[in-house]
Parts: sequence; C-alpha cells; structure tokens
Amino acid sequence: RKEVEQDPGPFNVPEGATVAFNCTYSNSASQSFFWYRQDCRKEPKLLMSVYSSGNEDGRFTAQLNRASQYISLLIRDSKLSDSATYLCVVTRLGMRRSGGYQKVTFGTGTKLQVIP
Amino acid sequence: DAMVIQNPRYQVTQFGKPVTLSCSQTLNHNVMYWYQQKSSQAPKLLFHYYDKDFNNEADTPDNFQSRRPNTSFCFLDIRSPGLGDAAMYLCATSNRAVPLAKNIQYFGAGTRLSVL
Repeated sequence: RKEVEQDPGPFNVPEGATVAFNCTYSNSASQSFFWYRQDCRKEPKLLMSVYSSGNEDGRFTAQLNRASQYISLLIRDSKLSDSATYLCVVTRLGMRRSGGYQKVTFGTGTKLQVIP
Repeated sequence: DAMVIQNPRYQVTQFGKPVTLSCSQTLNHNVMYWYQQKSSQAPKLLFHYYDKDFNNEADTPDNFQSRRPNTSFCFLDIRSPGLGDAAMYLCATSNRAVPLAKNIQYFGAGTRLSVL
C-alpha cells in the first residue's frame, strides 16, 4: 500500500462548481500536511498547509481527519485557472543512524479540469 | 525573482554519458532536495542534504549522486544515464529551523532530461 494515495481523476467540472479531493495516508505518525498545485510541465507550488482545525484561504478549504487518516481540499466557485494537478504532501519524522530527518511523501496527484 | 534556480531547463544526453544538473538558491535554506518526476507520477525523492549531511533514500540507484559544495548550490550527477532516467528533475529547498508544520518546500522550475 502506498504511503499517500489520491484519486488520480481527472475531475472535469463546470465553472462555478464546487469540487472536493481526498488524500489518504497510511502512517499514523505523519505530522504535517500540505496541498501543492502543479500546472502541466511546471514545478509544484504550495497551495496551502493543512492544520488540525481546518483552514480556509479564499475559495479553498482544507481539512484534516487524523482518526481516519485523510486530508481533503474543497474548491468553491471553480475557475478555469484552477485547472491543474493537486498534489497531497505528507511529512513525518524519519529515523536513520545519523539521526532524525523529515521524510516527505507526495501523492500522485489529482487532475482537475474546469470546463467553460 | 526566482529563489530556486535550476540549470539547464532542458538537458539532452546520450545513453551512458554522464550528466550534471545544477540547483542554486537565494533563500539560505539549510535543506535541499532532489526529486525525480516522471509523467503522471508523483515526485519521487532521491536524496536530500541537511546542511552538509547527505541523506540518501533507500531505493535511490547508485547511478545517482549528489554534491553540495556550499549552502547555495547543489548538484545532481547521473553517472551513466539509461533510457529509464528520462524525467523531470526537481530541486527544492526548505528551512529546517522552522516547525515541521511550516516546513514548506520551495521548488525550482525543474530540468527536463532526455536520454537518447
């Protein structure tokens, strides 16, 4: 089982629609959670961090459910410019002989296409 | 202005011919990462540096090496590229000094490697 799993989509939604993505993680020791956005053939860019109490940034809302080990991203009033792949990122403390380090795992991403 | 700069943006090499990709940063971050991303897949962490401390992922092939001569620069060396190494290579930085929940990664635009 992959450590971070996402539905690859694509999600095709009309402009103005509300769309939600989920991401599940398998390691209960995971500590930090992020949503990144990646446009075609470009680098990932941070969309938002995900906090335990949930957080909102304009049309975007992120939620964390530790009991069920998933995070979600809700996009309201979709715009054409929201079309991209949304990557879920989970970090936890890893251990090796030299000490602790931040282990970062990306999901495979969910592709969103907003249609006029 | 770009804060994480990767050169070149596109690299073509021949099968078995060593190639070096470079990354520089102006953020003074102590952690630098190298990822490999193939089409429609998640970025896959190859290794990272915490200052000069090199941390290799267990499944990173020996064919991939890295150097970090100073805080600002990090290099990815592919000793004998195979056809399967054609991918986008992404460099990222983060500041380990901040709490893990705020440990955001900043990505360069990537180098797209083709192997002929």
